[in-house]
Amino acid sequence: QVQLVQSGAEVKKPGSSVKVSCKASGGTFSSYTISWVRQAPGQGLEWMGRIIPILGIANYAQKFQGRVTITADKSTSTAYMELSSLRSEDTAVYYCARVPPVPLGELPGYYGMDVWGQGTTVTVSS
Amino acid sequence: SYELTQPPSVSVSPGQTASITCSGDKLGDKYACWYQQKPGQSPVLVIYQDSKRPSGIPERFSGSNSGNTATLTISGTQAMDEADYYCQAWDSRAGVVFGGGTKLTVL
Repeated sequence: QVQLVQSGAEVKKPGSSVKVSCKASGGTFSSYTISWVRQAPGQGLEWMGRIIPILGIANYAQKFQGRVTITADKSTSTAYMELSSLRSEDTAVYYCARVPPVPLGELPGYYGMDVWGQGTTVTVSS
Repeated sequence: SYELTQPPSVSVSPGQTASITCSGDKLGDKYACWYQQKPGQSPVLVIYQDSKRPSGIPERFSGSNSGNTATLTISGTQAMDEADYYCQAWDSRAGVVFGGGTKLTVL
């Protein structure tokens, strides 16, 4: 059974950066898509971006373009999400989630996010 | 940008059927999926490809998607189904899009 294990909680100052890791254990990693989703306190889910480790290609939500970087290390089955220029509004729980590879010819969204990490709380405060 | 709209809340009596809608422009042309999230927990996928259930998800959960609306239906709702539910789709420009979420109350 695949699990996604995320790094621990972080407290950061405004203007700084945070890097959250997401390690896959118990299954394959490279052929899946890893998405990053955040949830501010009392709010809904917000997609930040994704990476396909086997291709090394990342896509970002327009809102986070230029401020987020998603990478993956295939050798350790670990994905990373780095968010820079932090502000108080970035205080949230950050999740990684896995999406199975889409069959050739099918649309993205064919599969949902079937495995989620436990979440990492990032608090931005002066 | 592409938007998905859900009702903020839905109430249902135990044993009855709950329906949660998700509206978006030509949503029926895309695949919709649904997540359940209980307080303090990570989301769980309950429906993908509009109507398919992942392994381990009870049969009382079903889905449909046509026109501009996707619907999550929970038949014979149980107290344990009380949670927040989010729809999600993929848009070619926006990427992954989530609905705002619906709080299901079983009372």
